[in-house]
Amino acid sequence: EAAVTQSPRNKVTVTGGNVTLSCRQTNSHNYMYWYRQDTGHGLRLIHYSYGAGNLQIGDVPDGYKATRTTQEDFFLLLELASPSQTSLYFCASSDAGGFYAEQFFGPGTRLTVL
Amino acid sequence: GDSVTQTEGLVTVTEGLPVKLNCTYQTTYLTIAFFWYVQYLNEAPQVLLKSSTDNKRTEHQGFHATLHKSSSSFHLQKSSAQLSDSALYYCAPQSGSFNKLTFGAGTRLAVCP
Repeated sequence: EAAVTQSPRNKVTVTGGNVTLSCRQTNSHNYMYWYRQDTGHGLRLIHYSYGAGNLQIGDVPDGYKATRTTQEDFFLLLELASPSQTSLYFCASSDAGGFYAEQFFGPGTRLTVL
Repeated sequence: GDSVTQTEGLVTVTEGLPVKLNCTYQTTYLTIAFFWYVQYLNEAPQVLLKSSTDNKRTEHQGFHATLHKSSSSFHLQKSSAQLSDSALYYCAPQSGSFNKLTFGAGTRLAVCP
């Protein structure tokens, strides 16, 4: 089973602050994703990547940058955090190609922007 | 892109009774599979069911769902709800492009004694 870890698990920052959320997967998956989860909206895709150095824009990218430094590591950057970015953030990974390629989720990072 | 409509909000059911969570969707030709994810309190989402075959029943952990492309539906059912089924449930079509998932808003299931 894929292992996806996230850090920090909780983060509090102030408006205008700079935040980096980290994600690491150890199952050699090609694809990685960043989601935010908000009540009434479900899980929404922010950015995703199919390998080191690659970045694809998701459905709600405004205010977020991301970088995939290695196959294992995917980072989400909030350079000027706003209260609207208070949310629960999940990272996920998936194997490339084939049917039924499940996405495996990390435990989440709860971010509060004051 | 894909879009998903699920039973809204909270569904409450008594333990031992049947439960049905609705999912209808609009997808593109890139859609290759359909998933139900379950998220227990303070945990990450995880796969419950998956299907890509029209009119074929898929079962797991006592839940079942049948993909009906003619009606664009993939409803989740269980004949006898258990207290441990209380969770948040997401329906999600999967695109063949980067294995992207499009999640619905989610349905929270509360099973009461």
